[in-house]
Amino acid sequence: DAEITQSPRHKITETGRQVTLACHQTWNHNNMFWYRQDLGHGLRLIHYSYGVQDTNKGEVSDGYSVSRSNTEDLPLTLESAASSQTSVYFCASSESRSRVVGTEAFFGQGTRLTVV
Amino acid sequence: AQKITQTQPGMFVQEKEAVTLDCTYDTSDPSYGLFWYKQPSSGEMIFLIYQGSYDQQNATEGRYSLNFQKARKSANLVISASQLGDSAMYFCAMRESHTSGTYKYIFGTGTRLKVLA
Repeated sequence: DAEITQSPRHKITETGRQVTLACHQTWNHNNMFWYRQDLGHGLRLIHYSYGVQDTNKGEVSDGYSVSRSNTEDLPLTLESAASSQTSVYFCASSESRSRVVGTEAFFGQGTRLTVV
Repeated sequence: AQKITQTQPGMFVQEKEAVTLDCTYDTSDPSYGLFWYKQPSSGEMIFLIYQGSYDQQNATEGRYSLNFQKARKSANLVISASQLGDSAMYFCAMRESHTSGTYKYIFGTGTRLKVLA
């Protein structure tokens, strides 16, 4: 079965360190998204990509970067981790064709990141 | 400006009763999609139901239905015959067009539902 997986599931890092969260999907979806979930804020979009070599900034992109070198992977990098980036991070993917039935976003299991 | 608004941070419902979770949205795009997701305490995001902006009828999926009022820009989730397993966080989301054939998903802040025995 096709799936979307994130790794690691849990990560503790120190302030100032560079951290990369992995996201891998086997749906062959063109669209991929990174969100962070914080209490009271719901899910906020960090970065997204519509295909290989395409990346776009979301509403909370400061301090984060992504790259898309293939269809399956969209790693999220925190350049210099800050305590404000302690959060749960979700990766998602979706079909790009508007007429496909059920064009919902499929989510990974989430990564809980703690910056100390 | 908030594009998806969920005004109920938390709600309680008695088991076997129906409950409505509110969602209003804001968009000028004539073509959009509205979604509801469930997030149980285990953390995964579970897709529940979808409504397209051009759909004439309200979407239904088992005990879930979406009360779509386009003129009022509301897309409320109705859960009938609540079960203890329905206790979770519920998110409303809108698929917003970016360029032709591409989308992004905007989420609300969520409503935490607790079903009482």
